[in-house]
Amino acid sequence: AQSVTQLDSQVPVFEEAPVELRCNYSSSVSVYLFWYVQYPNQGLQLLLKYLSGSTLVKGINGFEAEFNKSQTSFHLRKPSVHISDTAEYFCALERVNSGAGSYQLTFGKGTKLSVIP
Amino acid sequence: DVKVTQSSRYLVKRTGEKVFLECVQDMDHENMFWYRQDPGLGLRLIYFSYDVKMKEKGDIPEGYSVSREKKERFSLILESASTNQTSMYLCASSLPTGWSNQPQHFGDGTRLSIL
Repeated sequence: AQSVTQLDSQVPVFEEAPVELRCNYSSSVSVYLFWYVQYPNQGLQLLLKYLSGSTLVKGINGFEAEFNKSQTSFHLRKPSVHISDTAEYFCALERVNSGAGSYQLTFGKGTKLSVIP
Repeated sequence: DVKVTQSSRYLVKRTGEKVFLECVQDMDHENMFWYRQDPGLGLRLIYFSYDVKMKEKGDIPEGYSVSREKKERFSLILESASTNQTSMYLCASSLPTGWSNQPQHFGDGTRLSIL
């Protein structure tokens, strides 16, 4: 079985400060990794994804994440946050070759990022 | 852009009622999913479907059923609603595995309250 652990349920940070949202995963097989963002009263939007290749992945809105296989981590970072980044962030994984016709994601429990003016 | 539309943003029902949540996607995606989202628990998969009339149980299928009669529409059914099914329900769709690992696209959610 696979699992995703988001180490912080809430992260407050001042505007224009850097932020790191932590994600660790567990899986016996290779995985693809994703970060989604959920703004208030909306569905989830894809921020970025790691499939293979370069371990540093850049996404939308200035976010990036680094895949670290030895530490089984996929932490999300942004060098300078804005008020508009206030949202809930979800880390998710998909097992590689998870089966014909399916594309199942396992989600973490989410991290609420609050940007303070 | 992919659009996943959930028929209701807010819904209030009574215990014991049969409840239908509807989801439509406009991108001819094979895969469709229903999740529930609860504070502190993240998203949990209820059911998914990878083709018309096909369905698979997710992690928490008890108390729910689904219907997929047409490719674009995936319905979640609460056979006899109970208060512990009060939650946010999210629908998603995607291309099948092998299509360059296209991500899941989500609707805006239905906040369901069972009284």
